Amino acid sequence: GENVEQHPSTLSVQEGDSAVIKCTYSDSASNYFPWYKQELGKRPQLIIDIRSNVGEKKDQRIAVTLNKTAKHFSLHITETQPEDSAVYFCAASRVGGGGADGLTFGKGTHLIIQP
Amino acid sequence: ETGVTQSPTHLIKTRGQQVTLRCSSQSGHNTVSWYQQALGQGPQFIFQYYREEENGRGNFPPRFSGLQFPNYSSELNVNALELDDSALYLCASSADLTGNTIYFGEGSWLTVV
Repeated sequence: GENVEQHPSTLSVQEGDSAVIKCTYSDSASNYFPWYKQELGKRPQLIIDIRSNVGEKKDQRIAVTLNKTAKHFSLHITETQPEDSAVYFCAASRVGGGGADGLTFGKGTHLIIQP
Repeated sequence: ETGVTQSPTHLIKTRGQQVTLRCSSQSGHNTVSWYQQALGQGPQFIFQYYREEENGRGNFPPRFSGLQFPNYSSELNVNALELDDSALYLCASSADLTGNTIYFGEGSWLTVV
C-alpha cells in the first residue's frame, strides 16, 4: 500500500516569512495529492489539492508543487500570518477523493508562526 | 460548512462496550468514507461506502463495521471497544466514487476508559 512521509514534524517561522512542508510517497500510481489544515480540536480542512497532470498550483498565498519522477510534493505558504498556525497534513491516493483505498495521510507538520 | 454532519460530537465508553457513530452526507453525495484520527496522528482510512455497499476497507479489524442507508447517511459501529480506539472519528462524503474532493465533517470524539 501507499506510504506518505512528511517533514518537518514542527516548523517555526517568523510572521511574514515563507514556510515549506515536504512530503514523499511510495506508490507510483498515486495521482491525487491534497493538503489539509487542522486547528486544535477541529476537523481537517482542505486548503489545496493537485492532480498528477499538473506540476504546480497556486491559490493566493498557498502553492503546491509536485514532482512525480521523484515522488515528492510540497506545500509553500508565503507571507505567513498568525492564523496560519495549525497542523498541516499531506495525503496521497490513486484517485480523487481516495477511492476504495482511501487517502493515505502523512503524520502532520505543526506550523508555528512567531510574531 | 461542508454539509457533512456527525453525531454525537463527544462520547465516553467503557472498554468492551459497543458504539455507533452517525453521519449525514452532503446533499447529492452518494459516497461516504470513515477515518480514525488518533491524537497527534494523521487520519487513517477505515472504509468507504457507495450506494449502501462497502466499497473498500483499510487496515482495521472486523469489529469495525458500517452501514449506509438509502438516503446515503451512514453509521460506523465499533464492537468490543479497546482503549486504543480512543480517537476522533471523521466522516467524509463525495459526489461519486472517484475524481471528487472529499470534505470532512466535524467528527465524533470517542474516549474509551
